Amino acid sequence: NAGVTQTPKFRILKIGQSMTLQCTQDMNHNYMYWYRQDPGMGLKLIYYSVGAGITDKGEVPNGYNVSRSTTEDFPLRLELAAPSQTSVYFCASSYPSLRVGNEQFFGPGTRLTVL
Amino acid sequence: DAKTTQPPSMDCAEGRAANLPCNHSTISGNEYVYWYRQIHSQGPQYIIHGLKNNETNEMASLIITEDRKSSTLILPHATLRDTAVYYCIVMNYGGSQGNLIFGKGTKLSVKP
Repeated sequence: NAGVTQTPKFRILKIGQSMTLQCTQDMNHNYMYWYRQDPGMGLKLIYYSVGAGITDKGEVPNGYNVSRSTTEDFPLRLELAAPSQTSVYFCASSYPSLRVGNEQFFGPGTRLTVL
Repeated sequence: DAKTTQPPSMDCAEGRAANLPCNHSTISGNEYVYWYRQIHSQGPQYIIHGLKNNETNEMASLIITEDRKSSTLILPHATLRDTAVYYCIVMNYGGSQGNLIFGKGTKLSVKP
């Protein structure tokens, strides 16, 4: 299993540009998440999905959009990039249950700089 | 805001046990205590979690007080590769409450 994969690893955007961060998992997990991590800080939840066709906002959703058309993929869209969106973006997935809890598996991250 | 309080940093000698404390005085009855770590800007890595009882796995042990208001993560024989930021998180296991709320964590430095 590849686990959670993210592309690209690095990206530099100009203000106002748009892009999509890709996230794919091959563990058949129903839950997927997008987090951002600013320098020296903990992670903050942007959006999450509990299954294909279902998405919901997290703590910091403004400026982002998501979709979940398949179990495997959960892309994150930035429409009008702003310097405040300079951050490291992590995708994660899990299969919560009472027996095993909610162990989340993280991808390697995408480092985004908006200039 | 994070529901947990952790010291910002700790040091540990290589080969010794590292004991990382966490306070979670407002934890509710259906919330678990989770520990993750993040090594040098990599994606966070799950370590262990528990509800009421102490737990042990191949990586660490988790000791939860009887009133569940605090816990301690124990790395029994710390190595240099255990240098990382350790996050203590409380959450429900799933649904709309299944997201991880990260604080700033404890930066553990393991020294030779």
